[in-house]
Amino acid sequence: DTGVSQNPRHKITKRGQNVTFRCDPISEHNRLYWYRQTLGQGPEFLTYFQNEAQLEKSRLLSDRFSAERPKGSFSTLEIQRTEQGDSAMYLCASSGDRGFNTGELFFGEGSRLTVL
Amino acid sequence: GQQLNQSPQSMFIQEGEDVSMNCTSSSIFNTWLWYKQDPGEGPVLLIALYKAGELTSNGRLTAQFGITRKDSFLNISASIPSDVGIYFCAGQLFSGSARQLTFGSGTQLTVLP
Repeated sequence: DTGVSQNPRHKITKRGQNVTFRCDPISEHNRLYWYRQTLGQGPEFLTYFQNEAQLEKSRLLSDRFSAERPKGSFSTLEIQRTEQGDSAMYLCASSGDRGFNTGELFFGEGSRLTVL
Repeated sequence: GQQLNQSPQSMFIQEGEDVSMNCTSSSIFNTWLWYKQDPGEGPVLLIALYKAGELTSNGRLTAQFGITRKDSFLNISASIPSDVGIYFCAGQLFSGSARQLTFGSGTQLTVLP
C-alpha cells in the first residue's frame, strides 16, 4: 500500500499528557498537510510543509501544538498538555506540485485522539 | 474566515434513487472539490471543478461549479449501498493555496436496501 499512512490510529490520553502523531506521506509527494476534524464537521487546516519547511500555520495551531518534517519525508504532530477540546481526528494529507495547485489532496486514515 | 454551507446535513434514500446535495459560500472560490469520507477513513477526492459553469462527471457522479463561483452541487445517480458515507464540498481560493482548503460540514448519506 503506497497511500498516506498515519499512526497511531487511536490514542486515548489523560488531560495534561503529551501526545505525538506520525504521518508518512506518499513517497513522491513533497507537500504535506495536517488537518483537524471534530465530530460532525469537515476538516480544518492546521499546518502545511513543503519538503522540510513549515510554510503556513493556522490560528487553530496554538503554542501547545508543534509539527515537524525533519527530512522532508515523514512528519510528526505533537500536542503538549492536552486538553479535552483537543479531542478530534487528526488527518494528514500529501500532494505533489499539481495537487498543491488544484486542491487534490491524498488523505491518510487519520489519528483519533480522545482526551479524558 | 470563509464558511461553506452544505445541505442537506443528512439524507436517507432507497437504493436506485438519485441524490442531489449542494454547497454555498459567501465568498468566491476558484476551485470546488467534492470529497467522500467512509467511517474511520480519511476523505477521498471524487470530483474537482476549475471553471465557473463547468459540469463534470465521474461515473454516476456529476458535479457543477456555479456560475457565480459561490456554489456547487453534486448529483449521484442510481445510488448503490457503497455510496453510503459523508460527502464534503471544499473550496480553494487561489491556485497555490491548496494548503488552505475550506471544507463544508458534510452531507451524511444513507442508502436503504
